[in-house]
Amino acid sequence: KNEVEQSPQNLTAQEGEFITINCSYSVGISALHWLQQHPGGGIVSLFMLSSGKKKHGRLIATINIQEKHSSLHITASHPRDSAVYICAVGTGTASKLTFGTGTRLQVTL
Amino acid sequence: DAGVIQSPRHEVTEMGQEVTLRCKPISGHDYLFWYRQTMMRGLELLIYFNNNVPIDDSGMPEDRFSAKMPNASFSTLKIQPSEPRDSAVYFCASSWTRSPLHFGNGTRLTVT
Repeated sequence: KNEVEQSPQNLTAQEGEFITINCSYSVGISALHWLQQHPGGGIVSLFMLSSGKKKHGRLIATINIQEKHSSLHITASHPRDSAVYICAVGTGTASKLTFGTGTRLQVTL
Repeated sequence: DAGVIQSPRHEVTEMGQEVTLRCKPISGHDYLFWYRQTMMRGLELLIYFNNNVPIDDSGMPEDRFSAKMPNASFSTLKIQPSEPRDSAVYFCASSWTRSPLHFGNGTRLTVT
């Protein structure tokens, strides 16, 4: 069993839809990261959180430490949101991350 | 800041050749990480450094892989000899302690 599980693996949505991507993990963590990777592109850190909720523009990330679960929400989705979203958990003081397998999101017009 | 800079962007080489990937982290960051990404295994940590010292190299696949960080502004990942199964995208990332990672654009390695 992977330490970090994401769902769904693939997601197709129409522009404007509200999107939720889920991440569950099985180990104690110091922080959870959400990353974004566009096709053929680099990786961008969206959020790093250890409790509660963070918001940046149309993106919202939440984490429930007791349930070992995090969600990434995208409000009013847009085709430019099409990317792979990766959940990763870090332990200790370093950002030594264990990655989920990613969720491939496609937003269509 | 220019961000994390990796070179080359693409590398095509023949099996058995030596490959050297380079990384310049963001100035002031005290952690540097090397990751490998493949379709089959996703992202995997190979090795990371703290203040130029290797801390954990348990992800390095075998002795053919080596990494150095001679100073705070430069790191290399070397594969010698290279094999087709080493084909992947190699990412370098840097960060401060307990801070988000900043990734380079990656080096796409193809070993034929």
